[in-house]
Amino acid sequence: AQTVTQSQPEMSVQEAETVTLSCTYDTSENNYYLFWYKQPPSRQMILVIRQEAYKQQNATENRFSVNFQKAAKSFSLKISDSQLGDTAMYFCAFMKLGNTGTASKLTFGTGTRLQVTL
Amino acid sequence: NAGVTQTPKFQVLKTGQSMTLQCAQDMNHNSMYWYRQDPGMGLRLIYYSASEGTTDKGEVPNGYNVSRLNKREFSLRLESAAPSQTSVYFCASSLLAGTQETQYFGPGTRLLVL
Repeated sequence: AQTVTQSQPEMSVQEAETVTLSCTYDTSENNYYLFWYKQPPSRQMILVIRQEAYKQQNATENRFSVNFQKAAKSFSLKISDSQLGDTAMYFCAFMKLGNTGTASKLTFGTGTRLQVTL
Repeated sequence: NAGVTQTPKFQVLKTGQSMTLQCAQDMNHNSMYWYRQDPGMGLRLIYYSASEGTTDKGEVPNGYNVSRLNKREFSLRLESAAPSQTSVYFCASSLLAGTQETQYFGPGTRLLVL
């Protein structure tokens, strides 16, 4: 079974600064996907970024980027130029790549609560 | 295009009562999922439906049943609610199960069982 660990329950960053959220995972699979989801106070789960394990290049989406270290099983999220709207709970998630028609079960970490301050 | 919608947004039940949580998606996705989120934990998969007409158990299926009514709708039923089922429930959908397709989530239903 896969496990996802987020060791930082809470973090704080000042507006316009950069912050990195940590995530490690444990799996014996070789083909998988990793995701970061954002959950603001509205509770909506919003996809931030995803990474395919077979790709060596780190994914980027505007101010969001990841540092994917497959051998170390590490998948951190960097938020640059932090904005007040980035305040949310951030979840790291793992998806095993299975056969079409089988479960795309997402395994989530326990989350990191990020507070962006003025 | 509303994406994934869920009703109700909030519900209070007494122990032993039954209820059905509704979920619908308008993205023409084939696969749908039900998760629960408890304090201090990530989301956990309850049931999923890889395609219309099929359903399968996830990680925490006990106490729940599901129905894939059609391609758009996937409901979650609690036959006899228990306080341990107090949680926030999320429905999600993806184009295909078992592939790299991203799951998109609804806004959640907060359920309180007294």
